[in-house]
Amino acid sequence: DVKVTQSSRYLVKRTGEKVFLECVQDMDHENMFWYRQDPGLGLRLIYFSYDVKMKEKGDIPEGYSVSREKKERFSLILESASTNQTSMYLCASSSPGRVDHEQYFGPGTRLTVT
Amino acid sequence: QQQVKQSPQSLIVQKGGISIINCAYENTAFDYFPWYQQFPGKGPALLIAIRPDVSEKKEGRFTISFNKSAKQFSLHIMASQTGDSATYFCAATYYGQNFVFGPGTRLSVLP
Repeated sequence: DVKVTQSSRYLVKRTGEKVFLECVQDMDHENMFWYRQDPGLGLRLIYFSYDVKMKEKGDIPEGYSVSREKKERFSLILESASTNQTSMYLCASSSPGRVDHEQYFGPGTRLTVT
Repeated sequence: QQQVKQSPQSLIVQKGGISIINCAYENTAFDYFPWYQQFPGKGPALLIAIRPDVSEKKEGRFTISFNKSAKQFSLHIMASQTGDSATYFCAATYYGQNFVFGPGTRLSVLP
């Protein structure tokens, strides 16, 4: 059974804190993604990575950075958390070798910045 | 060009009825159009997907209709069940990398 896990389901942080969100997949997928999900806006791509140590900016990268030191792990970093980063964060992975491009999502981390 | 528009924002149907959700895109480079289903507290899961060289794809009660010239595609849920109550997202991508999602449709199926 394919699995994408995220380090926390719920997280509360203070403004200005550095926040790490971790994602691990066990499917040996090359591609990994970080999205944020907000009501009425759907899922918006923050960053994606198509290989170890490789990263590409998505639609809303400002205020975020990522790290991919190992194939199975993709980390999202909020250098200095702000209240407008309160959101649901979803990690996903996929394999470019698959014809259907299917993405597998983790359960999400609901981050609240106070 | 990167946007995917989706309507309606919310939808209420009776059990046994047909649910229809519509999406539209601008970027003709998109080569894969998935629909995702998301239940509360869960991440989205792939429901059904289509490529632009096909006008229709059916899997059980779920059908995607694709109109390449109009740059529109829609999800039809036949004989809707209460267990179909969820949020549905359409999406588009090229090369399976930069996925663009619609804003979502919250479907409620009444018993």
